[in-house]
Amino acid sequence: GIQVEQSPPDLILQEGANSTLRCNFSDSVNNLQWFHQNPWGQLINLFYIPSGTKQNGRLSATTVATERYSLLYISSSQTTDSGVYFCAVTDSWGKLQFGAGTQVVVTP
Amino acid sequence: EPEVTQTPSHQVTQMGQEVILRCVPISNHLYFYWYRQILGQKVEFLVSFYNNEISEKSEIFDDQFSVERPDGSNFTLKIRSTKLEDSAMYFCASSEGPSRFYEQYFGPGTRLTVT
Repeated sequence: GIQVEQSPPDLILQEGANSTLRCNFSDSVNNLQWFHQNPWGQLINLFYIPSGTKQNGRLSATTVATERYSLLYISSSQTTDSGVYFCAVTDSWGKLQFGAGTQVVVTP
Repeated sequence: EPEVTQTPSHQVTQMGQEVILRCVPISNHLYFYWYRQILGQKVEFLVSFYNNEISEKSEIFDDQFSVERPDGSNFTLKIRSTKLEDSAMYFCASSEGPSRFYEQYFGPGTRLTVT
């Protein structure tokens, strides 16, 4: 099956800092999604981004499907950005394969 | 904005008991999914469901698990005889069309604790 690797596994940021999270995948995909898992365990949809660039407030994402990676940018981080960020891609059968996530801690 | 809902938010059960986790997908969605996440691990696919039948299931989804769409709005996951290792967060998701081409929307999850 498709392998999804996320880096870094952990990230500690000071409030106001910018950061980039990376997602590499091993095969061509039709669909890629980014999620934020908050401290209560809920998965929040951030981006549906099979290719190209999208922005939503302080977050933006870019997927370069031909090179099999996606990047999530967090700008001017806030403590509420803390949590785990997951990248997930659909395989040929349509199920989402998740990466192991990046644990982000934003300190005041 | 339409959202996927799940009940209960937290379920505690004893080993060997049956549990039913409930989900209400987004109303115009046709594809439904269950995923689970053991504490500290990544989210894993369990099963996908379309047109009143299972489209695909993972190795985890053995005979102890079943899914059903009992009416036009609910989508349920049943675990017949729970084991300690079934303790996890269970997420329901839905999509308007095939997941290869449509975004999956996730519910808030049900935290299942088996004692």
